[in-house]
Amino acid sequence: GAGVSQSPRYKVAKRGQDVALRCDPISGHVSLFWYQQALGQGPEFLTYFQNEAQLDKSGLPSDRFFAERPEGSVSTLKIQRTQQEDSAVYLCASSLVGSSGYFGPGTRLLVL
Amino acid sequence: DAKTTQPNSMESNEEEPVHLPCNHSTISGTDYIHWYRQLPSQGPEYVIHGLTSNVNNRMASLAIAEDRKSSTLILHRATLRDAAVYYCTPSGGADGLTFGKGTHLIIQP
Repeated sequence: GAGVSQSPRYKVAKRGQDVALRCDPISGHVSLFWYQQALGQGPEFLTYFQNEAQLDKSGLPSDRFFAERPEGSVSTLKIQRTQQEDSAVYLCASSLVGSSGYFGPGTRLLVL
Repeated sequence: DAKTTQPNSMESNEEEPVHLPCNHSTISGTDYIHWYRQLPSQGPEYVIHGLTSNVNNRMASLAIAEDRKSSTLILHRATLRDAAVYYCTPSGGADGLTFGKGTHLIIQP
């Protein structure tokens, strides 16, 4: 069956540009997570949704980062005025309930 | 969040068992121990999880110490496709997973 999909898979942005990263979770999954993974590091938690409600955004590194899931399915992570330190792989994961779930392939963001 | 300690890397031969250790001495009583692995250019893949008892599935076995301060992921017969970074991550529920740097497992043919 279909897993978690993310688009685009690769994104190159100039410093200062806004970017939007999309996550399509597994159908019916209530929980959705965003993680950021720097090169050579493990993923780091950014934010968590239960259906359309954003229950935890404690991991978002700055107010330039914004996530939404308006209808409780597809989610978008937006980064405004990108900086070089935002370069990373952004991973989305979904699960029926709880934090153990299925990850997407990630979006590799490079900010020049 | 519970902190974890794993070896940076381990090496094993193909078709031999592999034991990947993880220390999580600050784990809380309700945290499950999850193991994920990540192949190059892919997202993490769920391997196994447990609370107190040892667990088996088609991918691996998980041995949990009696005091729950450590666990070992066991791959019974490693193949080249098992080469990946392995993460152990205690988690209490719907609060996201906390990953360390993991163990880079190298499999020699």
